[in-house]
Amino acid sequence: EPEVTQTPSHQVTQMGQEVILRCVPISNHLYFYWYRQILGQKVEFLVSFYNNEISEKSEIFDDQFSVERPDGSNFTLKIRSTKLEDSAMYFCASRKSGGATSGANVLTFGAGSRLTVL
Amino acid sequence: KQEVTQIPAALSVPEGENLVLNCSFTDSAIYNLQWFRQDPGKGLTSLLLIQSSQREQTSGRLNASLDKSSGRSTLYIAASQPGDSATYLCAVEGNNAGNMLTFGGGTRLMVKP
Repeated sequence: EPEVTQTPSHQVTQMGQEVILRCVPISNHLYFYWYRQILGQKVEFLVSFYNNEISEKSEIFDDQFSVERPDGSNFTLKIRSTKLEDSAMYFCASRKSGGATSGANVLTFGAGSRLTVL
Repeated sequence: KQEVTQIPAALSVPEGENLVLNCSFTDSAIYNLQWFRQDPGKGLTSLLLIQSSQREQTSGRLNASLDKSSGRSTLYIAASQPGDSATYLCAVEGNNAGNMLTFGGGTRLMVKP
């Protein structure tokens, strides 16, 4: 069964440091997403990415956040200067297609990267 | 803004019981609704996806229904087992450019042997 792979599984960092979370989506998928879940809270949408550009982003995804697909396999989330409130589990997800056909395509999530900001 | 609510927040049942988890959403303009399972400290596993034009989907002991006009979905689990213990999340996909999912807060299920 194809899967979405995320690294690292857990990262501890000091406030103000830059963090890069990495994801390898399923190989024939074209739509990529980042979500996050603060401990005890709902899973929240951060950003969607298609055709090498951001499709949509939430209010959470401010100037401190960026995403990149540097090659044909990786999809990264960078937090430029981490804050305490960035501590959360970050989930990467991918799907084969989107738009009006998305109803037929299940979103596949990775196991998550837990970020702890001290 | 879409809001998704799940009731109950937690549920404990003896093994073998049939149970129903509820999900409601405020904006009926959705593409689909998905039910996920989340084990502690783990990722999200998709269980069932119901397209907006469908009324229900079944997979094994799981059956999910969708009443789009009233903004409701239910997940029915038949003959529950201890291995079903997990948090169950409901998420709706809006018909916007980014196809983002809006999640409910989840129902934490404990099935006791």
